[in-house]
Amino acid sequence: QKEVEQDPGPLSVPEGAIVSLNCTYSNSAFQYFMWYRQYSRKGPELLMYTYSSGNKEDGRFTAQVDKSSKYISLFIRDSQPSDSATYLCAMSGTTDSWGKLQFGAGTQVVVTP
Amino acid sequence: NAGVTQTPKFQVLKTGQSMTLQCAQDMNHNSMYWYRQDPGMGLRLIYYSASEGTTDKGEVPNGYNVSRLNKREFSLRLESAAPSQTSVYFCASGGMNTDTQYFGPGTRLTVL
Repeated sequence: QKEVEQDPGPLSVPEGAIVSLNCTYSNSAFQYFMWYRQYSRKGPELLMYTYSSGNKEDGRFTAQVDKSSKYISLFIRDSQPSDSATYLCAMSGTTDSWGKLQFGAGTQVVVTP
Repeated sequence: NAGVTQTPKFQVLKTGQSMTLQCAQDMNHNSMYWYRQDPGMGLRLIYYSASEGTTDKGEVPNGYNVSRLNKREFSLRLESAAPSQTSVYFCASGGMNTDTQYFGPGTRLTVL
């Protein structure tokens, strides 16, 4: 079983809708949580970074971490066609894994005009 | 600032050939990483370098070697390429928050 599970999609939504993405994980020692966006044939770019539990908001993006359930989420409000990409969750922070991120496989999102 | 740069962008090799993938960063980061990305597998860490002069194995190091040439540059070498090494390779460097990483544009490698 992978340490980080993420539904591969594709997730298709109409423009203006809320996109809801999530990852589950098994290692309770994870404490740093990130979301990366990857456009086709490009490198991943850091979108959101959260330490420990709670919510973080940045413009149209909201990241949530529920450590008790080992579950993280990313919400994209007022989605645009330019949000069409693959979204990767990543996490780390175990005592023996400094700097070594565990990635989900990514969820492909398609926002249709 | 260019961020993280990688060369080449594309490469086709025959089985048994060798090559070196180059990576450089201009963000003054201490840590650098090499990943491979395969469909359905996500990003998997090959090797990393926590600081200049140190390198360590990641999740999938077999068939690869690395060199941390200086603080800016981190290269990945395939000594004898195999079809199983067909993948997209990404270099990354670590930011001020230890676990945030910034990625290069990738190298698409095909081994025939």
